[in-house]
Amino acid sequence: EAGVAQSPRYKIIEKRQSVAFWCNPISGHATLYWYQQILGQGPKLLIQFQNNGVVDDSQLPKDRFSAERLKGVDSTLKIQPAKLEDSAVYLCASSLANPGLANEQFFGPGTRLTVL
Amino acid sequence: DAKTTQPPSMDCAEGRAANLPCNHSTISGNEYVYWYRQIHSQGPQYIIHGLKNNETNEMASLIITEDRKSSTLILPHATLRDTAVYYCIVRVARGGNEKLTFGTGTRLTIIP
Repeated sequence: EAGVAQSPRYKIIEKRQSVAFWCNPISGHATLYWYQQILGQGPKLLIQFQNNGVVDDSQLPKDRFSAERLKGVDSTLKIQPAKLEDSAVYLCASSLANPGLANEQFFGPGTRLTVL
Repeated sequence: DAKTTQPPSMDCAEGRAANLPCNHSTISGNEYVYWYRQIHSQGPQYIIHGLKNNETNEMASLIITEDRKSSTLILPHATLRDTAVYYCIVRVARGGNEKLTFGTGTRLTIIP
């Protein structure tokens, strides 16, 4: 089966510019996650969707970050305006949503963002 | 979710068993132990999970102590491709609403 797709793979922008990342989850996966991974650290959850509704966005810097999952399939994460500290790898993951089961998450390859 | 403690780095000779420890002394009765790994420049990859019984799959074995306060991930015959950062995570399984809280993991290096 096809995995989680992300684009672009790499992006370099200057601070205060805007940037958007795209994610296409595994077909049939109701839950979609965006993680931020700063160099040397483990991934940190930014936002979690269940179908097209937000389940958890408690760690999303809402003054500059936004995300949407229209129609409950693809998702876009946007940063506007970018800061130097936003330099990181942005990972998208998806999972099934079977009640009572320990659903594993499948991760995409990530988008490496460099803010100059 | 309960916190975990892992050694920052480990080495293992190619062909030997790699044993990666994880301490999760505050784990709750309904929390699972998960292991993921992240090979350089890739997204994390699920390895295995368990609740209280030992588990084995094609990738690894998971040994959970009887009191569930610690566990060990075993890669039985390590290869160079197993060089990665390994994350031990505990979380409740509610069916689709469980986030993964990653620590800094163990950087495992397989030595030829």
